[in-house]
Amino acid sequence: KNEVEQSPQNLTAQEGEFITINCSYSVGISALHWLQQHPGGGIVSLFMLSSGKKKHGRLIATINIQEKHSSLHITASHPRDSAVYICAVRDFGNEKLTFGTGTRLTIIP
Amino acid sequence: DAGITQSPRHKVTETGTPVTLRCHQTENHRYMYWYRQDPGHGLRLIHYSYGVKDTDKGEVSDGYSVSRSKTEDFLLTLESATSSQTSVYFCATQGQGSSYEQYFGPGTRLTVT
Repeated sequence: KNEVEQSPQNLTAQEGEFITINCSYSVGISALHWLQQHPGGGIVSLFMLSSGKKKHGRLIATINIQEKHSSLHITASHPRDSAVYICAVRDFGNEKLTFGTGTRLTIIP
Repeated sequence: DAGITQSPRHKVTETGTPVTLRCHQTENHRYMYWYRQDPGHGLRLIHYSYGVKDTDKGEVSDGYSVSRSKTEDFLLTLESATSSQTSVYFCATQGQGSSYEQYFGPGTRLTVT
């Protein structure tokens, strides 16, 4: 079973700061997902990646397959980015995801 | 938005009563999943389905059963609810193939008293 660890568990930053959230996993995977969950809200998929880097607006996700590590970056952070960010991995030949426990991000105006 | 609805959205029930949660999708996705979310834990898979009448257990399946008689509906049943099943339950769907994203429903908050 893949073990997924996220760091930090909680992160508070000032508006405008550059944010980095990390995810590491123990076994090789076919894909990694980054999800966002606002307080009391549903879960939205931000990225799915299996190699390299993806960018969407102010969000950037990278993955290093050799090191079994992914990062989610937020540039020019804004209070509306306050949410829980969840990393999930998919093993090869598996239609199931294994989830990290999430990183709670709070951006202060 | 993959057109996933869950019902009910909130429910309070007593220990020992049966409870059924419904997940409905409009995207004709093959795979459907039931997760529970609890503080200090990541999302944990209860059961999933890979087609009509085809289901399998996840990591926390004890005390739960599922049924899928139509592509669009996936039911989660707690035969005799216990306080440890107080949680937020999320349904998710996925198209065929590992390259597809999972789409999540809005969640159902269940309290067992």
